[in-house]
Amino acid sequence: GDSVTQMEGPVTLSEEAFLTINCTYTATGYPSLFWYVQYPGEGLQLLLKATKADDKGSNKGFEATYRKETTSFHLEKGSVQVSDSAVYFCALRSQGGSEKLVFGKGTKLTVNP
Amino acid sequence: ETGVTQTPRHLVMGMTNKKSLKCEQHLGHNAMYWYKQSAKKPLELMFVYNFKEQTENNSVPSRFSPECPNSSHLFLHLHTLQPEDSALYLCASSQVPANYGYTFGSGTRLTVV
Repeated sequence: GDSVTQMEGPVTLSEEAFLTINCTYTATGYPSLFWYVQYPGEGLQLLLKATKADDKGSNKGFEATYRKETTSFHLEKGSVQVSDSAVYFCALRSQGGSEKLVFGKGTKLTVNP
Repeated sequence: ETGVTQTPRHLVMGMTNKKSLKCEQHLGHNAMYWYKQSAKKPLELMFVYNFKEQTENNSVPSRFSPECPNSSHLFLHLHTLQPEDSALYLCASSQVPANYGYTFGSGTRLTVV
């Protein structure tokens, strides 16, 4: 079945450091790919998405590019802030499949001043 | 305002109590979902409703009983829960098909004592 694998956390960075959180997926066809963010005590919020190969999703300084050849959707940010501390989830929706999103296990990011 | 509202935000209940969690969405979506989020475990999909019809039940114990009276409202009725049921319960909604992902509520933090 479809699955998402993201890097184990936690990840701890200093403010203004470069962030990469790796995400790879297993799915048939061309799934839609998503990154969600969960701040402490809150639900998940959609951060960005990409629906076809080579698409780049971007929001709030975060970017991720849909790489079909490597089945990856890595999340990047050039300069993190303390306010970016949260848990980040990679997810996919199968092409032509059910409405179900398949989530990765989440990666906790802590940014220190 | 996320468009998906969950009440209550926090709930403490005894193992013999009966309580209900409520979820309401104002986004015109036609699919709604219940997820369970426990510490150090992946997100667990519990139930899926499309156009008020339950389309998925992921082997959830019968002490959890969902109800979807219309496309805007979703309930999770709880009875005779166990301490291990303590978790954050997240509601989400989406269009059908879910091309743009899900919109999540802020969750209900449930503690079973």
